[in-house]
Amino acid sequence: AQSVTQLGSHVSVSEGALVLLRCNYSSSVPPYLFWYVQYPNQGLQLLLKYTTGATLVKGINGFEAEFKKSETSFHLTKPSAHMSDAAEYFCAVTDKAAGNKLTFGGGTRVLVKP
Amino acid sequence: DAGVIQSPRHEVTEMGQEVTLRCKPISGHDYLFWYRQTMMRGLELLIYFNNNVPIDDSGMPEDRFSAKMPNASFSTLKIQPSEPRDSAVYFCASSSPLTGRGYTFGSGTRLTVV
Repeated sequence: AQSVTQLGSHVSVSEGALVLLRCNYSSSVPPYLFWYVQYPNQGLQLLLKYTTGATLVKGINGFEAEFKKSETSFHLTKPSAHMSDAAEYFCAVTDKAAGNKLTFGGGTRVLVKP
Repeated sequence: DAGVIQSPRHEVTEMGQEVTLRCKPISGHDYLFWYRQTMMRGLELLIYFNNNVPIDDSGMPEDRFSAKMPNASFSTLKIQPSEPRDSAVYFCASSSPLTGRGYTFGSGTRLTVV
């Protein structure tokens, strides 16, 4: 069975500082990995995804994530936080065995301090 | 494409009343998912469909909840009778393996049962 663990339900960063959100997954077969962002009172929006190929994936709004198979990780980073990055972020995993069913992590809420 | 369309955006109803939430997936997407989001439980998968057929309804909390997908462009989630603990944001999402398995979420329906 798949699972996703996001370390830290809340993260506080200063504007201009590095944003690092951690995600570890378990999957018995090669995974497909996703990061979603949810702004207040909105649905989840796809930030980026890894399916195959290059392990460093770039997404929208300056975010990127690196798939590390040996560490079963898919951490999300952004070099410089902006106030508009305040939101909740969800990591998710699926694989061919799971069909199209995503397993989501518990989410990390990001607070950006001026 | 207009994305995944959910209606209504907000619903306030009295305990005991029937509530019907609606979803129009993205054309061509053959998977449809219903999620519920609350502060206490986070994001929960209720049920999902593939080619209009329910595949997994193990997340449906109880018999008061039912979901249908009569055709590829429409799905409903019904709660009867509604209870205050059903208050949550309900999201619909659609997906296709051809699009890399990521989901597109609707904006959600905020349900308040008083």
